[in-house]
Parts: sequence; structure tokens; C-alpha cells
Amino acid sequence: RKEVEQDPGPFNVPEGATVAFNCTYSNSASQSFFWYRQDCRKEPKLLMSVYSSGNEDGRFTAQLNRASQYISLLIRDSKLSDSATYLCVVMSTNAGKSTFGDGTTLTVKP
Amino acid sequence: NAGVTQTPKFQVLKTGQSMTLQCAQDMNHNSMYWYRQDPGMGLRLIYYSASEGTTDKGEVPNGYNVSRLNKREFSLRLESAAPSQTSVYFCASSWGYSNQPQHFGDGTRLSIL
Repeated sequence: RKEVEQDPGPFNVPEGATVAFNCTYSNSASQSFFWYRQDCRKEPKLLMSVYSSGNEDGRFTAQLNRASQYISLLIRDSKLSDSATYLCVVMSTNAGKSTFGDGTTLTVKP
Repeated sequence: NAGVTQTPKFQVLKTGQSMTLQCAQDMNHNSMYWYRQDPGMGLRLIYYSASEGTTDKGEVPNGYNVSRLNKREFSLRLESAAPSQTSVYFCASSWGYSNQPQHFGDGTRLSIL
């Protein structure tokens, strides 16, 4: 079993739709969680951190469920520009070493 | 706003050739990392350096060596390139504390014929 697992998708949604991605992790000692966005053949870019109480940044909402060991990302009012691969990242205490999920691909269509 | 800079951006090698990929960061970060990403797959950690003077193996270290030259620079060396090492290589850096995310360079696209 992988340490971090994501549904690879692809998710194909119309503009304006709400879409949610989940990510499960196996290490219960994991401390920090992030969502990154990666556009085709580009470097991953930090989208948002995930806090225990949940957090929101505009149309994006991230949540953490430690008991069930999963994090989620909700995108409201999807835009064409949201089309990308979304990477779930789980970090241990070891020198900031992170484990990346394989990513979920989102395509937003007109 | 340089952040993490990788050189070269593209490279084609023949099997058996050697090459060093360079990475430098200007954010005064403690930790640096090398990943590879194969088509349609996630990032796999090759080596990382928690702090200047230390390096550790990641998930896929075979066929690679690294040097943490100073706090700013972390290089990745392929001693004898193989076609299986054709990939996109990303360097990243972070403060190295558990709540601090990594920041990535824009990658080196390496093809080995």
C-alpha cells in the first residue's frame, strides 16, 4: 500500500461546478499536509496548507480528518484555469521530508 | 525572485555518459531535495539533504550521487546514464521544519538514448 493515495481521476467537470478530491495517508504520525498544483510538464506549486481546523482560500477549501487519516480539497465555481493535476503532500518530522501522492487530474470544460 | 534555479533545463545524453544537474536556492533554506517524475507518475524522492553537510537516500537512489556543496547548492550526478533514467528531475528546498512546504525549481528534462 502506498503511503499517500489519491484517486487519479481524471475528473472532467463543467465550468462553475464544485469538485472534491480526497487523499488518504497511512502514517498516523504525519504532521503537516499540503495541496500542490502541477500544470502539464511544469513544477509543482504550493496551493495551500491544510490545517487541523480546516481552511479556506477563496474558492478552495482544505480539510483534515486525522481520525480517518485523510485530507480533502474542495474547489467551488470551477474555472477553466483550474485544469491541472492536484498533488496531496504529507510531511513527517524528518527534515521536512515529504511524501507526494501521484496526483488527481482535473479538467474543467466550457 | 529566483527561488530555486536548476540547470540545465534540457539535456540529451547517450547511454554511459555522465552528467551533473545543478540546483541552487536563494531563500536560505536548510533542506534540499532531488525528485524524479516519470510520465503520468508522481514525484519520487532520489536524495535529500536535511542540512549543509548531510545527505540521505530517498526512495530511488540507485544510479545517482549527490553533493551538498554549501547551503545554497545541491547537485545530482549520474555517473553512467541509462535509458531508465530518462525523466524530469525537480530540485526543491525548504526550511526543513515539519510545517514548512517545499519550493520547486522548474525542472530538468533529461533524455538518455
